Amino acid sequence: LAKTTQPISMDSYEGQEVNITCSHNNIATNDYITWYQQFPSQGPRFIIQGYKTKVTNEVASLFIPADRKSSTLSLPRVSLSDTAVYYCLVGLTGGGNKLTFGTGTQLKVEL
Amino acid sequence: DAGITQSPRYKITETGRQVTLMCHQTWSHSYMFWYRQDLGHGLRLIYYSAAADITDKGEVPDGYVVSRSKTENFPLTLESATRSQTSVYFCASTRGLNEKLFFGSGTQLSVL
Repeated sequence: LAKTTQPISMDSYEGQEVNITCSHNNIATNDYITWYQQFPSQGPRFIIQGYKTKVTNEVASLFIPADRKSSTLSLPRVSLSDTAVYYCLVGLTGGGNKLTFGTGTQLKVEL
Repeated sequence: DAGITQSPRYKITETGRQVTLMCHQTWSHSYMFWYRQDLGHGLRLIYYSAAADITDKGEVPDGYVVSRSKTENFPLTLESATRSQTSVYFCASTRGLNEKLFFGSGTQLSVL
């Protein structure tokens, strides 16, 4: 099981870049790394997914080093609306019972 | 996403009662999941299903029963509710294990 470790919380200000790192030392060869965002009273929603190097979409970038034992979600120029809990998820190829989330990172963005 | 719906949105019950939480998805996704979310524990997997009539335990299955007679439905039953099962329950589905998960809006369950 590719257990993940993330910081419990982070604080930032509007307009800053935020980087959230996830550690996953036991990641398997075929595992992808996926990040989700969750607002209060809502289910998590997909942000970005990657396998190696760098992936970018309209809301975030994902950086994955060559050893794949960690990954960094980068949110450019955050706003108040980015205040949420962010989860990193790995271990998909081990079967459905490996899709267990960690406790996530609570990001708080202030003015 | 409107393609996966959970009901009810809120439920209050008493200890010892049977409760069923419903989950329905319109995408014909193969995989479906039930999670519970409690403060300090993040999302914990209760049960999952890889296809109709195929289910398996997750991290915290005790006290719960699931079935999947049709691809689009994945009900979760608490056979005899306990206070420790007070939680927010999320259902999710995905086309494949390396695809993104889609979550429902959740069911907030209170067991008194």
